[in-house]
Amino acid sequence: GEDVEQSLFLSVREGDSSVINCTYTDSSSTYLYWYKQEPGAGLQLLTYIFSNMDMKQDQRLTVLLNKKDKHLSLRIADTQTGDSAIYFCAETPRSNDYKLSFGAGTTVTVRA
Amino acid sequence: GAVVSQHPSRVICKSGTSVKIECRSLDFQATTMFWYRQFPKQSLMLMATSNEGSKATYEQGVEKDKFLINHASLTLSTLTVTSAHPEDSSFYICSARTGTGNTIYFGEGSWLTVV
Repeated sequence: GEDVEQSLFLSVREGDSSVINCTYTDSSSTYLYWYKQEPGAGLQLLTYIFSNMDMKQDQRLTVLLNKKDKHLSLRIADTQTGDSAIYFCAETPRSNDYKLSFGAGTTVTVRA
Repeated sequence: GAVVSQHPSRVICKSGTSVKIECRSLDFQATTMFWYRQFPKQSLMLMATSNEGSKATYEQGVEKDKFLINHASLTLSTLTVTSAHPEDSSFYICSARTGTGNTIYFGEGSWLTVV
């Protein structure tokens, strides 16, 4: 969606950290999400963060939110080949009853 | 395991026929479900919001008579593509919002091919 922007591609070496960035425009966003989509499959919820939080960590995943700059990032530590997928950032504004606005998706390729 | 299930995962139908796709929430009640469409290598486009016991709310540009949505129970929403045409071929994905409202799970998606 035009309100959420992501870089389209990221290549990372196995074992390194991946950082996927996302910017959004709606300052009323309440929740921001990261989803993973493998080829031909649906979306898998990875994590989400409430807009009053700065950081959330869940095992290898770290989400950072800079609300002032409307910037969201997802860091994947120790990236594995199974992490190769498309990652979507999504936000839901307070006003629209949890309809998600998605970014275009970042294709992450993990190379050996 | 999956918390939202879609069926069928793949379907091929003839042009002019109708096809129904089911979306079920497993182990939770979903008062609101959402239907998205995804074209190859593109992001998801919201088609409609499905509320249990009431009419669906369609996004601008989505034909409500062509994409019939029924949310008959708290765990089931259906999308029926009527009089399907080849341009309706796409990946259709549903999502369901949990009762607490802040977690939204997606189904595995359904590939529709109209020949």
